[in-house]
Amino acid sequence: AQSVTQPDIHITVSEGASLELRCNYSYGATPYLFWYVQSPGQGLQLLLKYFSGDTLVQGIKGFEAEFKRSQSSFNLRKPSVHWSDAAEYFCAVGGREYGNKLVFGAGTILRVKS
Amino acid sequence: GAGVSQSPRYKVAKRGQDVALRCDPISGHVSLFWYQQALGQGPEFLTYFQNEAQLDKSGLPSDRFFAERPEGSVSTLKIQRTQQEDSAVYLCASSLAGLRPNEQFFGPGTRLTVL
Repeated sequence: AQSVTQPDIHITVSEGASLELRCNYSYGATPYLFWYVQSPGQGLQLLLKYFSGDTLVQGIKGFEAEFKRSQSSFNLRKPSVHWSDAAEYFCAVGGREYGNKLVFGAGTILRVKS
Repeated sequence: GAGVSQSPRYKVAKRGQDVALRCDPISGHVSLFWYQQALGQGPEFLTYFQNEAQLDKSGLPSDRFFAERPEGSVSTLKIQRTQQEDSAVYLCASSLAGLRPNEQFFGPGTRLTVL
């Protein structure tokens, strides 16, 4: 069965500092990988997705993620964090074999210090 | 165009009451998903429709949960005889059909509190 692990429940970074949020997945076939962001009281917004090809993918709001098959990881990065990035971030995995439904990690709450 | 909308945004129910949660997907989106998000957790899959056909309901936690999409557009998630453990945010998402998972567009969710 597919599963996603986000080992960090909370992360606090200073504004302007770099950010990396970790995501590890378990999946028996070629995974489709996603990062979503959720602000309080809001739905989930897609930041970026990986299906195939270049393992470094660019997303919205200056985020990027790198797919590493050997490590079963899909970590999210941003070189310089803004206060408006404070939110909860979810990694998700999907695939045709599972009817296109998504399996989400438990999320990482990002706090930004000014 | 408009995104995915859900109503009501908040629902308080007494234990044992029935509730109905509505989802209006993006026009033209064939696929529709329901997820349950408990406090402090990531969303968990409940059920999936392609047009009016419910192709996967493996995530529904009990037979008290029922979902429908009779005309292939609006969907309703019904919970009968609500229990306190049903308290959660219920998220609806829609996407275009395709051979691989397309981006799922999420609504704002309905926060259900069962007293």
